[in-house]
Amino acid sequence: GQNIDQPTEMTATEGAIVQINCTYQTSGFNGLFWYQQHAGEAPTFLSYNVLDGLEEKGRFSSFLSRSKGYSYLLLKELQMKDSASYLCAVRDRAGGYQKVTFGTGTKLQVIP
Amino acid sequence: DADVTQTPRNRITKTGKRIMLECSQTKGHDRMYWYRQDPGLGLRLIYYSFDVKDINKGEISDGYSVSRQAQAKFSLSLESAIPNQTALYFCATSEGARTSYEQYFGPGTRLTVT
Repeated sequence: GQNIDQPTEMTATEGAIVQINCTYQTSGFNGLFWYQQHAGEAPTFLSYNVLDGLEEKGRFSSFLSRSKGYSYLLLKELQMKDSASYLCAVRDRAGGYQKVTFGTGTKLQVIP
Repeated sequence: DADVTQTPRNRITKTGKRIMLECSQTKGHDRMYWYRQDPGLGLRLIYYSFDVKDINKGEISDGYSVSRQAQAKFSLSLESAIPNQTALYFCATSEGARTSYEQYFGPGTRLTVT
């Protein structure tokens, strides 16, 4: 099975930088995703990491350390529209299938 | 047009009723999924299908059944709805070939069982 932990809520200021952490425990790790979900809407894909290191994509970056079971999502130059929940999701091999398990999400509030 | 559609978008039903939620996709993906989302519990997998002839239970399949009518269609049924099945339900799709594939989610169905 999997255990995924991320903070429940965070608040940050417009224009600032925020880091959302995710820790996980899994027996057959095969990739980690970050999704953004605005209230009442569908999750949308942000990033994917399978190797250690930092992946940068515009204002958003995602980092992975497989040995530590740790990832973070870094949001720079925060905008009000970044207020949303951020879901960490881990893929692992289970019975030959690649299954994805989602964390409970971190609700980010961006304030002026 | 949206790539992944769900019908209905909202539904209120009574305990004991049978209800079907439908999902259609135009992305040509083989893999389809049904999740439910509850406050504080995140997205939980109900069923998944890797092709028309392959259907598998997820972590919370009790009380639910599914049908993969075609590559593009995957429906979720609640045979006898109960109040604790009140939730936001999402259908999702993904490609099968690459391990880096992300999931594409439909807009969700908000189901209330009274």
